Amino acid sequence: GQNIDQPTEMTATEGAIVQINCTYQTSGFNGLFWYQQHAGEAPTFLSYNVLDGLEEKGRFSSFLSRSKGYSYLLLKELQMKDSASYLCAVRDQRGSTLGRLYFGRGTQLTVWP
Amino acid sequence: NAGVTQTPKFRVLKTGQSMTLLCAQDMNHEYMYWYRQDPGMGLRLIHYSVGEGTTAKGEVPDGYNVSRLKKQNFLLGLESAAPSQTSVYFCASSYSGSDTIYFGEGSWLTVV
Repeated sequence: GQNIDQPTEMTATEGAIVQINCTYQTSGFNGLFWYQQHAGEAPTFLSYNVLDGLEEKGRFSSFLSRSKGYSYLLLKELQMKDSASYLCAVRDQRGSTLGRLYFGRGTQLTVWP
Repeated sequence: NAGVTQTPKFRVLKTGQSMTLLCAQDMNHEYMYWYRQDPGMGLRLIHYSVGEGTTAKGEVPDGYNVSRLKKQNFLLGLESAAPSQTSVYFCASSYSGSDTIYFGEGSWLTVV
C-alpha cells in the first residue's frame, strides 16, 4: 500500500510564499499529484510530477524527489482565495492496481490579510 | 462542458435503506472511480473501473457495490445503509491509468 504524510494545517499572510511538504512510502510509484480543494467543493487538479525536478505553473510549482519519497507544493504571491485544503496523491504502478490514486489527509492552508 | 456529474447531490437515508449514486462523464474516459471523504481521513478509494463491464475493489469496498454497464456511467450502490456510511462521496474519471483524474462535485449522504 501507500503511506502519505503531509502537515495538517498551515497559515500564511497574503503576498507571502508557502511550501507544503509531502512524504510518501510506496511499493510502486507512477506519479505524484497535487489537488486543491475548497470547502464543500470537489478537488481540482493543480500539478503532476513523475520525474525528479521542479514543475512550474504560474504562481504554483511542484517538486519531486523519487529517491527521497518527497514532494512539495510551492505557492507564491499568496491570495485570500488560496485558502483551501491541498491534497497530495500518489499513483500506484503495480499492474493489477495500475491507476489507483492514494491520497494524503490534506493540508488546510489559511491565508490571512 | 459537463465533465463528471453526480446525482443526487444530497440525500438522507434511514439505517437499512438502499440507494444508488449515479456518476456520468462525457469525456470518453476509460477509468472511473468512487471515493469517500471523511474528516481527518482524506479521500479513500471505494471501487474503481478500468473499462466498461469491469470493476475492482479499492481500499474500503465493504458495504458498497458498483456497476459499469455503460462506459460513461459508474453506479455506486448501498444495499443496507449504515450510519458509518455517512460521508461525502466523490466520483472521478481519467482517460487512462496514467492520466489526470477529474472529480465530480460530490454527493453528501447522511444515514440516520
